[in-house]
Amino acid sequence: DAGVIQSPRHEVTEMGQEVTLRCKPISGHDYLFWYRQTMMRGLELLIYFNNNVPIDDSGMPEDRFSAKMPNASFSTLKIQPSEPRDSAVYFCASSRRQGRAGANVLTFGAGSRLTVL
Amino acid sequence: QKEVEQNSGPLSVPEGAIASLNCTYSDRVSQSFFWYRQYSGKSPELIMSIYSNGDKEDGRFTAQLNKASQYVSLLIRDSQPSDSATYLCAVATRTGANNLFFGTGTRLTVIP
Repeated sequence: DAGVIQSPRHEVTEMGQEVTLRCKPISGHDYLFWYRQTMMRGLELLIYFNNNVPIDDSGMPEDRFSAKMPNASFSTLKIQPSEPRDSAVYFCASSRRQGRAGANVLTFGAGSRLTVL
Repeated sequence: QKEVEQNSGPLSVPEGAIASLNCTYSDRVSQSFFWYRQYSGKSPELIMSIYSNGDKEDGRFTAQLNKASQYVSLLIRDSQPSDSATYLCAVATRTGANNLFFGTGTRLTVIP
């Protein structure tokens, strides 16, 4: 298995531009998570899906952020318009339920490093 | 108050020593606890999980949980330079809950 695949790995854009980050989860994993990581705040959960349905989006910072999962093998996180404070590494992770661990044994993608100038 | 707190470090230990990483959490009903390791520039990977009070050992790693004190720790015995990384404590507030709260991590350096 190729693991969780994210693209792009690096994105540099200017304030006000639209940014779209993409994720392909591991086949057979029915949970997909989007996290954001910064030095100051660490890893923050933005949103997660179960069977392609958004379950908890309370971590999405504001209306500029949106996420979709049109099918079991693809998800997008979109920021429109982007701002410098959105600069961070965005991780996608997937999982499946495993006993007491629930769906918390996460396999992370390599991340997308976003820089908004 | 943050849900999960860790000493950011850096923590430096000599090769072969025991490294002790600590984590406290605020939600008393938390049920599942995880340690993830993140090498610089890489993504986090799970190394340990623990659900019951006491110790859980896996090779050179031991996770310790004390729910009364709301405290979880990770011990790394015979530390190796390859253990140098940031260690993230993560907590799920309910059994089977599917959203983890992560600490900001403790950076560990093992000195050869």
